[in-house]
Amino acid sequence: AQRVTQPEKLLSVFKGAPVELKCNYSYSGSPELFWYVQYSRQRLQLLLRHISRESIKGFTADLNKGETSFHLKKPFAQEEDSAMYYCALSSGGYNKLIFGAGTRLAVHP
Amino acid sequence: GAGVSQSPSNKVTEKGKDVELRCDPISGHTALYWYRQSLGQGLEFLIYFQGNSAPDKSGLPSDRFSAERTGGSVSTLTIQRTQQEDSAVYLCASSFGQTGELFFGEGSRLTVL
Repeated sequence: AQRVTQPEKLLSVFKGAPVELKCNYSYSGSPELFWYVQYSRQRLQLLLRHISRESIKGFTADLNKGETSFHLKKPFAQEEDSAMYYCALSSGGYNKLIFGAGTRLAVHP
Repeated sequence: GAGVSQSPSNKVTEKGKDVELRCDPISGHTALYWYRQSLGQGLEFLIYFQGNSAPDKSGLPSDRFSAERTGGSVSTLTIQRTQQEDSAVYLCASSFGQTGELFFGEGSRLTVL
């Protein structure tokens, strides 16, 4: 079965500390993985996708097929990074995304 | 408008009543998706439209749920005989192509009393 697991409901850090939001997946095919973010009072939006291998707002994520993980990392957290983060897996040959339960990141001053 | 538009933004209804939720996607986006967001449950896929047809409706939880899309544009999600467990935020998204980028609306919050 295709599944995305985000084991942490809440991650609380201080400004300037490193951040790692965990994501594990199960998928029998070749996965496409994404991170979506929802800031307070804003819409859910795409943060980054693994095939682009890009850094967005200082965040990066590496696909580890051996560990079936796609953890989101940032070396120095900022207060404006506080948001709900969802890991998602693309399935079905079109843009059907399977989402994890989400992790709330709280960055304290 | 430039983004996906959903209405109503909030709906409170009594158990057993029918409700309709509307989604107006971004112009030109051929694909449209409905998701349900429940507290602590993440986003649950409901149905996918390509044009006016729904090749994947595997996420609809029961036959009380139905959706249609007309003119390759506006979609309506209908929930008949609502139950308290239907309370959630219903999100609509649209996309163009196979980039994996979905553009979400602000959602319709449904509360069933």
